[in-house]
Amino acid sequence: DTEVTQTPKHLVMGMTNKKSLKCEQHMGHRAMYWYKQKAKKPPELMFVYSYEKLSINESVPSRFSPECPNSSLLNLHLHALQPEDSALYLCASSQWLAYNEQFFGPGTRLTVL
Amino acid sequence: QQQVKQSPQSLIVQKGGISIINCAYENTAFDYFPWYQQFPGKGPALLIAIRPDVSEKKEGRFTISFNKSAKQFSLHIMDSQPGDSATYFCAASRIQGAQKLVFGQGTRLTINP
Repeated sequence: DTEVTQTPKHLVMGMTNKKSLKCEQHMGHRAMYWYKQKAKKPPELMFVYSYEKLSINESVPSRFSPECPNSSLLNLHLHALQPEDSALYLCASSQWLAYNEQFFGPGTRLTVL
Repeated sequence: QQQVKQSPQSLIVQKGGISIINCAYENTAFDYFPWYQQFPGKGPALLIAIRPDVSEKKEGRFTISFNKSAKQFSLHIMDSQPGDSATYFCAASRIQGAQKLVFGQGTRLTINP
């Protein structure tokens, strides 16, 4: 299995809602990443987990809360988001924390109303 | 010093032609240079990557040319096909120390039939 899967594919939420994005990989990778991508822009790194521990937080607002329950799963909990947070949220994984050969999932298209 | 500059921003090529996308970097510590292909509504997919110990790498119709002294690398797509129409991102990172991927701004490639 060489896939990174993400659910849901689309999410529409109000500014007072709480929702979660889910990412899963079964490649035995020990590093997992969350990226945010705005239209016509490259992905921007948000968080990195290595061996289920948060390794990097790229100064992301606290309304985004990552969680890594086990080596195959990565969640992103969302609360009190702003309309400008609307974007494609991408999960990626790599064999270890080397930042190369990253495999991306299809993303969750998030719209904040 | 962390920037990767990518050009052109958009490119239109006739079917069967050669598509060329260029990237330039400043940080001489970078030692891993991948290219990602992204279709609308999908996550980026690793296309091909090169290390600075070689000047060229070819995989099928895709070739990376690397010029270490000029700090430039480029993607050539031979016999371009309409199915190659996508956004292409170059990136760079340093493997040691787990440096993050630094992405170029992307090139939207359109192959006309």
